Amino acid sequence: NAGVTQTPKFQVLKTGQSMTLQCAQDMNHNSMYWYRQDPGMGLRLIYYSASEGTTDKGEVPNGYNVSRLNKREFSLRLESAAPSQTSVYFCASSEAGGAGYGYTFGSGTRLTVV
Amino acid sequence: KQEVTQIPAALSVPEGENLVLNCSFTDSAIYNLQWFRQDPGKGLTSLLLIQSSQREQTSGRLNASLDKSSGRSTLYIAASQPGDSATYLCAVRTTDSWGKLQFGAGTQVVVTP
Repeated sequence: NAGVTQTPKFQVLKTGQSMTLQCAQDMNHNSMYWYRQDPGMGLRLIYYSASEGTTDKGEVPNGYNVSRLNKREFSLRLESAAPSQTSVYFCASSEAGGAGYGYTFGSGTRLTVV
Repeated sequence: KQEVTQIPAALSVPEGENLVLNCSFTDSAIYNLQWFRQDPGKGLTSLLLIQSSQREQTSGRLNASLDKSSGRSTLYIAASQPGDSATYLCAVRTTDSWGKLQFGAGTQVVVTP
C-alpha cells in the first residue's frame, strides 16, 4: 500500500537514552515533516525537509535532530531523551511545500520516556 | 502568528443527525485548509483539502466550506453513523511559513446508536 511508513510503532526509553525514529514514503513526494502530538495541544512541527538534501527547524526543534537520507527516508533522532519528549510522533509527506498540496501522514510512533 | 481554534472540543449526537464542526483561524493568508480524521491510537487520515481560492469541497457525506476573509471553515457530515466517531482536526497551511501546517486541537465526536 502506498503511503508513509513509520517504525517503531511503540517505544519506551529511559531518560538519557538515544533512539532514531524512521520514516519512509513511497509516493515520490519531495517534502517530508516530523510532528509531535500532545494532549490538548494539537500537532506541532519539529523539523521538515523541503527537498532531498535540505532540512529546517520547525516550531519545537530543541532536543531533536533529523536526517534526510534520500528522497524516500527522513529520520528523527533523540540524542538524550527527556520525559518532556513523551509524545506521539508523526511523519508526513507532501508533493511540494507552500504550493497548496495536501499532506499524507504515517500512523505514528508512541514514545514514552521514563 | 497563526492561531487555529476548533469549537466545540467534544460533541455527542444520536445516529442520523447531521454533524457541524467549526474551525477558525486568525490569519487569512493561507494556501489551503485541510480536514483530517483521527481514530483513537491511530494516525491522521485526510478527508478534504480546500485550496484558498475555493469556497467548498465535497466527498460523499462530507462537505467542507471555507470563508477565508472571515477566517472560518465548517465541516458538515450528513446523516451521521457510529462509524463517524473520531477526532476531527483542521489544519491551515499559511503563506508566511513554508511547510508548516498549523493545527487546531480537534473536536472529539461520538455518534450514539
